[in-house]
Amino acid sequence: DTEVTQTPKHLVMGMTNKKSLKCEQHMGHRAMYWYKQKAKKPPELMFVYSYEKLSINESVPSRFSPECPNSSLLNLHLHALQPEDSALYLCASSQRAGVYEQYFGPGTRLTVT
Amino acid sequence: GQNIDQPTEMTATEGAIVQINCTYQTSGFNGLFWYQQHAGEAPTFLSYNVLDGLEEKGRFSSFLSRSKGYSYLLLKELQMKDSASYLCAVRDGVDSSYKLIFGSGTRLLVRP
Repeated sequence: DTEVTQTPKHLVMGMTNKKSLKCEQHMGHRAMYWYKQKAKKPPELMFVYSYEKLSINESVPSRFSPECPNSSLLNLHLHALQPEDSALYLCASSQRAGVYEQYFGPGTRLTVT
Repeated sequence: GQNIDQPTEMTATEGAIVQINCTYQTSGFNGLFWYQQHAGEAPTFLSYNVLDGLEEKGRFSSFLSRSKGYSYLLLKELQMKDSASYLCAVRDGVDSSYKLIFGSGTRLLVRP
């Protein structure tokens, strides 16, 4: 199984809503990542978890709150988002944080109204 | 600063060969990756180079020259399904960073 799954596929939320994005992998990978991708732009790293601990936060606003409940799951909690936060949110995992290739999930298309 | 440059768009003919170039200037270097991304889909891993030279994997090959800060992805026997964006990404090795720095991507259009 070389699959990273993400739910939901699409999400529309208002600026006062609270929602969560979910990511799951069963490859035994111990590094997981959140990326944000705007249209026709490359993915931008948001967070890195290594062995369930947050190791990198790329100065992401606090309205985005990551959580890694266990080695297979990664959540991104969203609160009080802005319309400019609308984007494709990609989850990725790799065997370890470091030189290993990252496997990406299909992404969640988020629209903030 | 960190900078990765790729051509914005390329067009090629089915059955032909195309080379997509990538130049980079980063604080550190711990490997270069190529990813393929179809519109609206997730990037998929194509290749990884950390030493100078050519890595071949089927119809796809990737080359790296660390002294020149240069890589290319070579696609042979092009198929229509190869129409996609190709992302060059460098792993910054400073402080064992896990960060992948992506170029803006090259949109490849394969024509019949």
